[in-house]
Amino acid sequence: ETGVTQSPTHLIKTRGQQVTLRCSSQSGHNTVSWYQQALGQGPQFIFQYYREEENGRGNFPPRFSGLQFPNYSSELNVNALELDDSALYLCASSRSGGGAETQYFGPGTRLLVL
Amino acid sequence: GIQVEQSPPDLILQEGANSTLRCNFSDSVNNLQWFHQNPWGQLINLFYIPSGTKQNGRLSATTVATERYSLLYISSSQTTDSGVYFCAVLYSGGGADGLTFGKGTHLIIQP
Repeated sequence: ETGVTQSPTHLIKTRGQQVTLRCSSQSGHNTVSWYQQALGQGPQFIFQYYREEENGRGNFPPRFSGLQFPNYSSELNVNALELDDSALYLCASSRSGGGAETQYFGPGTRLLVL
Repeated sequence: GIQVEQSPPDLILQEGANSTLRCNFSDSVNNLQWFHQNPWGQLINLFYIPSGTKQNGRLSATTVATERYSLLYISSSQTTDSGVYFCAVLYSGGGADGLTFGKGTHLIIQP
């Protein structure tokens, strides 16, 4: 186990709704990254939070937003859900921002949008 | 952005066989990780290996950064090795600090 936890494990929403996913980082890690993995594909980088600020962002629209809290846990918020948002959402924690550190992944949240 | 290509896309082997998985990347990197994704979706860290060679039991990995490729070796395969293996890299030239993943190699080990 990596020590990274995510909740909930599964979620079903309807198109147009909003969703919040949660991630607790491994002890001693101050950086959290979020990824989206569609079925049959590799994970795609959404954004990274380092010391409570967004530290980098992939090619995702603004309706994907996040937060990091003083204890380094993080939330991913998705507004105006679309069918294509159905995916496995993974968070990863690492010791520091900058990227040249091992990233450890949580078990993921499976989101289904109907 | 940086491109990552993994080969082969699919691999079916008998238990006990050896295998080599390849990852090619298009630019210089300061992070390269190999993962095994189990059937429940968990990404299990295998190696952090932006350069050099590492071994862990039946698994070993080599990254030749100057030639922009990495290899993952699995010896004496077991059925529990089945799953999808991903290579993921981070471009060293700056920009977003997220890993770029390849499409994976789907490995099936038959008893």
